[in-house]
Amino acid sequence: NAGVMQNPRHLVRRRGQEARLRCSPMKGHSHVYWYRQLPEEGLKFMVYLQKENIIDESGMPKERFSAEFPKEGPSILRIQQVVRGDSAAYFCASSPSVGTDTQYFGPGTRLTVL
Amino acid sequence: AQKITQTQPGMFVQEKEAVTLDCTYDTSDPSYGLFWYKQPSSGEMIFLIYQGSYDQQNATEGRYSLNFQKARKSANLVISASQLGDSAMYFCAMRGYASKIIFGSGTRLSIRP
Repeated sequence: NAGVMQNPRHLVRRRGQEARLRCSPMKGHSHVYWYRQLPEEGLKFMVYLQKENIIDESGMPKERFSAEFPKEGPSILRIQQVVRGDSAAYFCASSPSVGTDTQYFGPGTRLTVL
Repeated sequence: AQKITQTQPGMFVQEKEAVTLDCTYDTSDPSYGLFWYKQPSSGEMIFLIYQGSYDQQNATEGRYSLNFQKARKSANLVISASQLGDSAMYFCAMRGYASKIIFGSGTRLSIRP
């Protein structure tokens, strides 16, 4: 049973470009979470999605950031017009249910904005 | 509001000794889960151990055990017989029902040979 998959593992963008980060949850998991980790800090929640629905986006910046989890295919975190402050590790996690179950993390995507 | 506090930014421990990493939490949810994750220098987040708020016994997973004291709102991680490969950042985390996980600021553990 494959774990949570994220790609790309490393992404380099110039200021003003768009970044697209992909996450495929574990098989059987329908709940996806995105977190951001700035250097030397803990992870900060961004958004929680189920298939075709955004459940909680309280941690998402109001502008330039969006997320989706379509009926088919991976979840996408999209950052438009990236700035240097967007440089961070972005982690996706999945869980099988809505309770207090463990969330399993992908390997992360390290975004570097030049 | 939910909050996780890790008061030890860094720790040094001699190989083969036991180590306790501190974690306190605050929540008004009656049902919640507590977690510990390990993040080695390679960057991935590795799940170590889980404790449910209604679990009567402390969770154990191999060399890891969670010292859960509900009245004190603490969830310390104990690593027995530490190994060089245990050197990493350790994050305590909490999840309320149907909600995201919130993380502490982490403890950097370094194991001396």
